Amino acid sequence: GENVEQHPSTLSVQEGDSAVIKCTYSDSASNYFPWYKQELGKGPQLIIDIRSNVGEKKDQRIAVTLNKTAKHFSLHITETQPEDSAVYFCAASERAGGTSYGKLTFGQGTILTVHP
Amino acid sequence: NAGVMQNPRHLVRRRGQEARLRCSPMKGHSHVYWYRQLPEEGLKFMVYLQKENIIDESGMPKERFSAEFPKEGPSILRIQQVVRGDSAAYFCASSSRTGGNEQYFGPGTRLTVT
Repeated sequence: GENVEQHPSTLSVQEGDSAVIKCTYSDSASNYFPWYKQELGKGPQLIIDIRSNVGEKKDQRIAVTLNKTAKHFSLHITETQPEDSAVYFCAASERAGGTSYGKLTFGQGTILTVHP
Repeated sequence: NAGVMQNPRHLVRRRGQEARLRCSPMKGHSHVYWYRQLPEEGLKFMVYLQKENIIDESGMPKERFSAEFPKEGPSILRIQQVVRGDSAAYFCASSSRTGGNEQYFGPGTRLTVT
């Protein structure tokens, strides 16, 4: 089955700096890679995702890159703000069958702290 | 447009009791996933259901755990004879059949077994 490794486990930055979180996956059949932000006591919130036919995707201050050959993908947050502080999870998914995507395999999470 | 709803948000059970966790997917979504998050850990897949069908239950423990998603009503994750190791946050996510198939998560049910 799929295995997703995520680094670093903790990341501390100053407000305004950039933050980068990296993930690797093992199953070449995976073709969908979402990123989630989880605040304390809440459910994971989908913040950006990328599919295997695309190398990069951007949404305001966040971007995700994908290298299918090396089987790794990264989350980039620019101009970080204190409200970006949370746990970030990467995930990978392959088709369950038909036109439906299946289960997500998550990385271990990165605790991001943005200091004012 | 209401998001994924889960109830109860907090559930306390004594060892040996049963726990029932409910999940109502987003409007228009017909696929439901259940994940478990142990303290200080990531999320682990448990089961993937469509209406009246279990598609993938490869992450479900073989005993005491079951899930259903009936034609009418919410999806239910049922844990029989709970043990302390079942204490965790249980999250439900839903997705639509068409489009991007992104999974949207509910707020979770935090189960504590005493």
